[in-house]
Amino acid sequence: KNQVEQSPQSLIILEGKNCTLQCNYTVSPFSNLRWYKQDTGRGPVSLTIMTFSENTKSNGRYTATLDADTKQSSLHITASQLSDSASYICVVSPFNFGNEKLTFGTGTRLTIIP
Amino acid sequence: DAGVIQSPRHEVTEMGQEVTLRCKPISGHNSLFWYRQTMMRGLELLIYFNNNVPIDDSGMPEDRFSAKMPNASFSTLKIQPSEPRDSAVYFCASSAADTQYFGPGTRLTVL
Repeated sequence: KNQVEQSPQSLIILEGKNCTLQCNYTVSPFSNLRWYKQDTGRGPVSLTIMTFSENTKSNGRYTATLDADTKQSSLHITASQLSDSASYICVVSPFNFGNEKLTFGTGTRLTIIP
Repeated sequence: DAGVIQSPRHEVTEMGQEVTLRCKPISGHNSLFWYRQTMMRGLELLIYFNNNVPIDDSGMPEDRFSAKMPNASFSTLKIQPSEPRDSAVYFCASSAADTQYFGPGTRLTVL
């Protein structure tokens, strides 16, 4: 069964600090890997999309990395801000399903404290 | 564009009642998805449509759930009869290519 596992489940850091969230997946082969940010009470919003041939993708202070050999991805947040407090969800798209049958992780709940 | 619109935002109902959730996708998007999110299971795909046609409904929990898309600008997800275990946040998303855009969700509570 295709799975996406994320760690840690929750994380608390001080404003201004950096942090890294982890994602391990068993989906293979896969088309692309995405990171979504979900604020409390809102729907998820796409941060990055990487194909299997890409190693890194940035979106402002967010940088995602991908190692297709070890089936691991990470999301690094630089100089965290209070607005970064949210859940971050790793999502993998199987090769033969494109955008449709995404496999979602259960997310990492990040809290930034002043 | 207003983004994906869902209604109602909150729904509280009693067990056994019929519940209808509504979604208006982003104009021009040809794919529409219904998801359910719970703390225990995270986001789960229930069904998706392409050009108003249901493509895969394997995620629909059971016959109590049904979804329709009568035209490109409207979809419904119906639960009849509702049960307490259906309590969750239900998201609608639409896409035209790689990125799915999610609505704000409907928080359903079945007492």
